[in-house]
Formats: sequence, structure tokens, C-alpha cells
Amino acid sequence: AQKVTQAQTEISVVEKEDVTLDCVYETRDTTYYLFWYKQPPSGELVFLIRRNSFDEQNEISGRYSWNFQKSTSSFNFTITASQVVDSAVYFCALSEARSQFYFGTGTSLTVIP
Amino acid sequence: DAGVTQSPTHLIKTRGQQVTLRCSPKSGHDTVSWYQQALGQGPQFIFQYYEEEERQRGNFPDRFSGHQFPNYSSELNVNALLLGDSALYLCASSLVPHTEAFFGQGTRLTVV
Repeated sequence: AQKVTQAQTEISVVEKEDVTLDCVYETRDTTYYLFWYKQPPSGELVFLIRRNSFDEQNEISGRYSWNFQKSTSSFNFTITASQVVDSAVYFCALSEARSQFYFGTGTSLTVIP
Repeated sequence: DAGVTQSPTHLIKTRGQQVTLRCSPKSGHDTVSWYQQALGQGPQFIFQYYEEEERQRGNFPDRFSGHQFPNYSSELNVNALLLGDSALYLCASSLVPHTEAFFGQGTRLTVV
């Protein structure tokens, strides 16, 4: 069964627009961790944020913000005032008891200048 | 501080051959995981090494094997290569449990 679903395959926005990337996860564990990674064309996965299942506090880091809601099993990621450098594939990932990562299929974001 | 380094960056092999990919973890990390990322897909977990032993394994055949050395570096070996093994192979290092995993730039393997 798919543990992480990223329903948005591709998104295009014009520079300076806000954009939200959706992530829905599935797990039976009470302790788990959620992550967002960015993958630019170079291929390396760049860590953005980690959240544990006991911390539903939303977080803002510069132009990035994350909305974690256990009630809907969602962990959405918003980029405010998008820039061309934000163009990349973004992956949401879930880690359960033993730290294996389950990745979603990714959302390809294109920011048009 | 060097991050996770992988070698080689690109590789072309013929079907049926064997390949070895290498990974050096981020300084201070002792756990190495390997992932296969097919084009347009998310990374799929192959296996994880800790204290020189395979601790976890994903749904990959025995043609995929690995090793971890005392200095925590790791190798991924794939035997009897198939065309379907063409992918980006990513190595990730971490401190267990559950800290963020740092990924290398990957090795792009093409099987022809």
C-alpha cells in the first residue's frame, strides 16, 4: 500500500506566487517521522525539514512553511513568494520504526520568471 | 565538512555484467542506506547498513548486495544487470534513529 501520496505530479507558478505542495501519508505506527526533500536537476536530495508524530506545531523557515495535521494525515509544504531557484522536484517521505524512508512520487515544481 | 560522497557519478554497463557503487557517509554518521530512483519516481529503499551488518532490506532481489566497512563507507553491488536496473542510485547517511538522512549526489547507472 502506498504510504506517502503526492497527488500533484507537476505544478507551474509564476515567480512571486505562493505555492502549496500536498502530502498525505498512511501509517499505523504512533511514532513516525515526516520529511520534505528537494531534488534539483543535479540529483542530490536536499533535506528541508523533519517533523515527528508528536509535534504538530507548524513551522516557518524564511519563505518555507509546513502544515502538519494528524487528523487528516497530511504534511503540506508552502513556498511563499516563489523564485526561479525553487524549481525542483520535491519529495515527501515517511519514516516509521526503523528509519527506512518511504518516499512519495514527487511533485515537480516549475517557477516561471 | 564533506557531505555524503558517491562514486562514480555516471556508469554505463552491459546487460549481464556486475557493478559496484561506492559511498562515503557524512562525517560522524555511522549508518548508510541505499536507494534506487527510477526516472520520474521517488527513491525506493534497497537496504541499510549499520555496524557493518545489513539491518533492513527492501523488496529487492538477492542480485543486490552490499557491504559496510569499519570506516562506515559502503558499497552496493548488483549482479547480472538487467535493463530495468537503469536508475539513479542514492546513498544516504544518518545517525539512527530518525535524524535527517543526508543524501549523496547519486550514481546514474545505465544498462544497455
